[in-house]
Amino acid sequence: DTAVSQTPKYLVTQMGNDKSIKCEQNLGHDTMYWYKQDSKKFLKIMFSYNNKELIINETVPNRFSPKSPDKAHLNLHINSLELGDSAVYFCASSQDSARTQYFGPGTRLTVL
Amino acid sequence: GDSVTQMEGPVTLSEEAFLTINCTYTATGYPSLFWYVQYPGEGLQLLLKATKADDKGSNKGFEATYRKETTSFHLEKGSVQVSDSAVYFCALSANQAGTALIFGKGTTLSVSS
Repeated sequence: DTAVSQTPKYLVTQMGNDKSIKCEQNLGHDTMYWYKQDSKKFLKIMFSYNNKELIINETVPNRFSPKSPDKAHLNLHINSLELGDSAVYFCASSQDSARTQYFGPGTRLTVL
Repeated sequence: GDSVTQMEGPVTLSEEAFLTINCTYTATGYPSLFWYVQYPGEGLQLLLKATKADDKGSNKGFEATYRKETTSFHLEKGSVQVSDSAVYFCALSANQAGTALIFGKGTTLSVSS
């Protein structure tokens, strides 16, 4: 059983397009996150949601918009894609009462 | 702000060698500390964790001890295998549940037979 899943695993697209990445967790966790891993493997938080409410919103361009339809899902929509958006995007989740985060397999986004 | 510093890689070892990857942190209060591992082409997996001073996390032969006096959480393994080749990330999470993980830059380990 997959705990945190993401789709798609790979996404190749042209500059200027709009794309979405979906994340689902079946762990019953209350908080979900999006992280970006750059080409040097550095990981940085982008957003987090707790029970569908945005609680962390780092300095990310407003072309990135997270959406949480329910506490098991957190999607990431990106408008007007740029070359610099190429990265691996990881979804994660945690239970409110704990600090351990569990990660999805990642989505490798390539913008041409 | 809070931060994590890891030793720069890559680290190249022969099979059965002893491994140490240094990690130090800066944080207010009492963070939880983690080691995550990323195998080639895969996502992040939790390797071990420690939530308070002097706790030792361990898993798959890896160990790390939360040392508050030296603000360190060094990862060790007595005898590495080729299958341990991966990128290792040290991370911390501040006092509140639901806060973001702050990661070190990662250390690439390559083990040869």
